Amino acid sequence: AQSVTQPDIHITVSEGASLELRCNYSYGATPYLFWYVQSPGQGLQLLLKYFSGDTLVQGIKGFEAEFKRSQSSFNLRKPSVHWSDAAEYFCAVGRGQGAQKLVFGQGTRLTINP
Amino acid sequence: DVKVTQSSRYLVKRTGEKVFLECVQDMDHENMFWYRQDPGLGLRLIYFSYDVKMKEKGDIPEGYSVSREKKERFSLILESASTNQTSMYLCASSPPGPTGELFFGEGSRLTVL
Repeated sequence: AQSVTQPDIHITVSEGASLELRCNYSYGATPYLFWYVQSPGQGLQLLLKYFSGDTLVQGIKGFEAEFKRSQSSFNLRKPSVHWSDAAEYFCAVGRGQGAQKLVFGQGTRLTINP
Repeated sequence: DVKVTQSSRYLVKRTGEKVFLECVQDMDHENMFWYRQDPGLGLRLIYFSYDVKMKEKGDIPEGYSVSREKKERFSLILESASTNQTSMYLCASSPPGPTGELFFGEGSRLTVL
């Protein structure tokens, strides 16, 4: 069965520092991979997605992620975080026809120190 | 912009009560979803609907049912609420095809006493 693991429950970084959030997936075929962000009191918003092609994908808000098949990973990165990036981040893998049904990881809560 | 509206942001119910959570989307999306969000568990799929009157069980359907009589509306029903159903419930919609992009509502936080 498909699964997603986000090893870090909570990460704290200083404003302006670089960020990497880890995501590992388990899926038999070529995966459809996603990162979503949930700001406090809000629903989830798509940051970026990988279906095929270039393994480095760019998303909104200056985020990027790299698909590494050999490591079954899809880590999210940002070179310099802003206080507004404080949120919870979810990695997900698509399954089923059209990858419509997503399996989400446990989430990583990001805190930004001023 | 796509808008997914969940009618109740906060609900408090008693054990055994019947609970309706309503979700409406305004982008004519075929697919609609109900997820449950719990700390440390992420989001888990309860039910999925890919068309009017069509539904499919997700990973944790026990204790829940759904209704989709109109394309824009997808309701989650707790026939007899229990304390272990205290949670945040998120509705989402998406167009057909392999986009994978779900549009989420802001959530309904349900407390069952």
